[in-house]
Parts: sequence; structure tokens; C-alpha cells
Amino acid sequence: GNSVTQMEGPVTLSEEAFLTINCTYTATGYPSLFWYVQYPGEGLQLLLKATKADDKGSNKGFEATYRKETTSFHLEKGSVQVSDSAVYFCALSDPGSGTYKYIFGTGTRLKVLA
Amino acid sequence: DVKVTQSSRYLVKRTGEKVFLECVQDMDHENMFWYRQDPGLGLRLIYFSYDVKMKEKGDIPEGYSVSREKKERFSLILESASTNQTSMYLCASPGIGQGALTEAFFGQGTRLTVV
Repeated sequence: GNSVTQMEGPVTLSEEAFLTINCTYTATGYPSLFWYVQYPGEGLQLLLKATKADDKGSNKGFEATYRKETTSFHLEKGSVQVSDSAVYFCALSDPGSGTYKYIFGTGTRLKVLA
Repeated sequence: DVKVTQSSRYLVKRTGEKVFLECVQDMDHENMFWYRQDPGLGLRLIYFSYDVKMKEKGDIPEGYSVSREKKERFSLILESASTNQTSMYLCASPGIGQGALTEAFFGQGTRLTVV
């Protein structure tokens, strides 16, 4: 079945450090891939997405590239800020599975220190 | 600009009570979802609905039921609350484009404590 695996946290970085959060997936079809972010006390919101192989999603300085050959969608940011402290979720949606559902990873908590 | 609204941010209920969690979306979406979020387990799908009066079990439906009488409203019901249902509950409503789910809009969450 479909699944998403993302790196365990928490990840603690200093401000302006480079961020990578790894995400790999298994899917039977051709999924769409998403990164969602959850700030403290809030629901999730979409950060970026990619719908086909080699697509790059980007938003707010974050980027992720849909790599079909490695079944990965790693999240990167060149210079993190304290305001980026949040929980990040990788997710997929596979219409080939026959139902409209998301599969979420377990989330990675990021803490950025000033 | 609010798109998905959950009726309560915090709830405290007693064991055995029947609990209703309400979710309303203003985007005219057909799909709506209920998740629970627990530390280390991420988001787990409880139930989802793809149309009025239609519902499908998710991964952890035991102890829960749902109601969708109107397109904009999706209710989660805990038939007899238990302490292991203490959790954060998230409602979401995604759009569909080109046969696939697009962005999901989430409510702010309801933190339920069962004592």
C-alpha cells in the first residue's frame, strides 16, 4: 500500500542554517506530493506541492523536487528563520489508489534558535 | 478569509459522554475529512466524506461515527467518549483538480480531553 516516511525530529538549527527534511514514499500509481506546515496552536496549511516527476514546488524560500527515481520529496531551505519553527508534514495523494485520500508522514518538528 | 471552521478549540468531556465535533467549510467542496493527531503518530484518518450523506471509514474509525447532512458541514461523533480518545482533532477539506486532490484546507483543530 501507499506510505510516507519522513525523518524523525526534532530538528534544532541556528538561524540562517541550511535545512533538509527527508521524505520518501511508496505508491502504486503516480501520486501528487505535498509539504504541509503546522505552526504552534494552528491547523495545517499547504507549504508547497508537486504533481509529477521532476516538478519543483517552492514557497517562502522552501523547495522540494519530486524525484521518481528515488521516490523522494525532500524539503530544503537555504537559510532558516526563527519564524520557521513548526511541524512539517510530508503527504501524498494517489488517485490511482481508487480513493481520494491523503497519506501523511508522522511529522518533523523544527526548532530554530536565534 | 476563513475557509474551514471547527466549532471549538478546546473541549473537556467526561468518560461515557456523547461528543459532537462540528466542522464547516465555505468552499463548496465535496470532500471533507476528519483526522486525529497524536505525538509520534502524525495524522490518522478517522472518516471521510465525498458527498452529502456519503461517508467512508478511514484507518481508525472504531469508536467514532460521522454525519454529513449538508455539503458544508461534517460532524464527528464520539458515541461514548473514552480517555484514549483524548487528542487533537483536525477537519480538512480539499479541492479536486484534474482527477486528483489539490490543496487541503484545515480547521484550527479541536483539542479534546476526556476525563
